[in-house]
Amino acid sequence: AQKITQTQPGMFVQEKEAVTLDCTYDTSDQSYGLFWYKQPSSGEMIFLIYQGSYDEQNATEGRYSLNFQKARKSANLVISASQLGDSAMYFCAMFRNTGGFKTIFGAGTRLFVKA
Amino acid sequence: DGGITQSPKYLFRKEGQNVTLSCEQNLNHDAMYWYRQDPGQGLRLIYYSQIVNDFQKGDIAEGYSVSREKKESFPLTVTSAQKNPTAFYLCASARGSGGEQYFGPGTRLTVT
Repeated sequence: AQKITQTQPGMFVQEKEAVTLDCTYDTSDQSYGLFWYKQPSSGEMIFLIYQGSYDEQNATEGRYSLNFQKARKSANLVISASQLGDSAMYFCAMFRNTGGFKTIFGAGTRLFVKA
Repeated sequence: DGGITQSPKYLFRKEGQNVTLSCEQNLNHDAMYWYRQDPGQGLRLIYYSQIVNDFQKGDIAEGYSVSREKKESFPLTVTSAQKNPTAFYLCASARGSGGEQYFGPGTRLTVT
């Protein structure tokens, strides 16, 4: 079955330090996409970064980078130079186009940035 | 400004009543989605639509209905058949089925 696992319910990081949020996925598809979204306390989901299964280089977007290890089926999000505004829920998601064009989400990791 | 609007932000209903949640986008996106989020959990797909006048059930469609008569609108009706309707509902759109999704601010529905 297709599945996204985020094993860290909560994480703490000191301001200005880097943090890695873990995500593993399970799929038998060859073609898929991986996403990370941020959900602040307001509730709105914000797209952060995307990695395609055939992309050979890790995706980067500003302070966000995705550590993609295909053989291990992991897609960890790295946030560099954490800021207080990074405190939020973070969701890993996977798009699959078999069995319908659906995106499935993990349970999320709550990140707390300490001043 | 381009974006997705959902209204209202908070909605209260009595058990046994149907309620319709609004979702409008002016991003000219083909694909639209409805998700449900329960406290401390991720998003679960209710319905999605890849094109006008077509939609498919997601993983938890029972007790919900949708329509897609216009490209920019994808309303969700929570029917009285939905056993546990109190939740946070998020609408999203995307250029295509596999693209990044843009989300609305959400509607928090409370049924008592």
